[in-house]
Amino acid sequence: AQKVTQAQTEISVVEKEDVTLDCVYETRDTTYYLFWYKQPPSGELVFLIRRNSFDEQNEISGRYSWNFQKSTSSFNFTITASQVVDSAVYFCALVDTGTASKLTFGTGTRLQVTL
Amino acid sequence: GAGVSQSPSNKVTEKGKDVELRCDPISGHTALYWYRQSLGQGLEFLIYFQGNSAPDKSGLPSDRFSAERTGGSVSTLTIQRTQQEDSAVYLCASSLEEWSTQYFGPGTRLTVL
Repeated sequence: AQKVTQAQTEISVVEKEDVTLDCVYETRDTTYYLFWYKQPPSGELVFLIRRNSFDEQNEISGRYSWNFQKSTSSFNFTITASQVVDSAVYFCALVDTGTASKLTFGTGTRLQVTL
Repeated sequence: GAGVSQSPSNKVTEKGKDVELRCDPISGHTALYWYRQSLGQGLEFLIYFQGNSAPDKSGLPSDRFSAERTGGSVSTLTIQRTQQEDSAVYLCASSLEEWSTQYFGPGTRLTVL
């Protein structure tokens, strides 16, 4: 069965600090997709990134970067020079061929960025 | 273009009443999903539609829950004889096709008194 683990329940940082959110996944499939979503206080889930299992290249988008390592089944998310607007709950999620296309979510990491 | 929309944004109902939640997907998206978010259970999958068919209903928690999709567009999630444990935020998502990125609506917060 598939599973996504986000061991960090809550992280607090001061603005401008770098922060890494961990995500470890389990799947028996060789074809799967990994996602990160952001849920700000407004409540709407906002898509951040999608990565397929055949593409292990790291991704950078502005202050955001993602490190995908199949050897450790991890898909970690780093925010560089964090800002107060980054405060949100971040969810890692998995889709594999065993689950049709439904998302299996981790429990989320609440990030609090203070001045 | 417009994103996924859901109505109502909030719904308060009494135990035992039926409720209907509506989802309007992004235009042209063939796949539609319902999820539920509650404090104790996190984000849970409920049902998946491809067109008007529901190939995966495995997440519906009981036979009090049903959903339909018409015209390959709007979907309605119906909860009959609501119970307090049904209180949650119900999220709808759509994707261009199966396996594509899912985009979420703002959710409907359901409170059962």
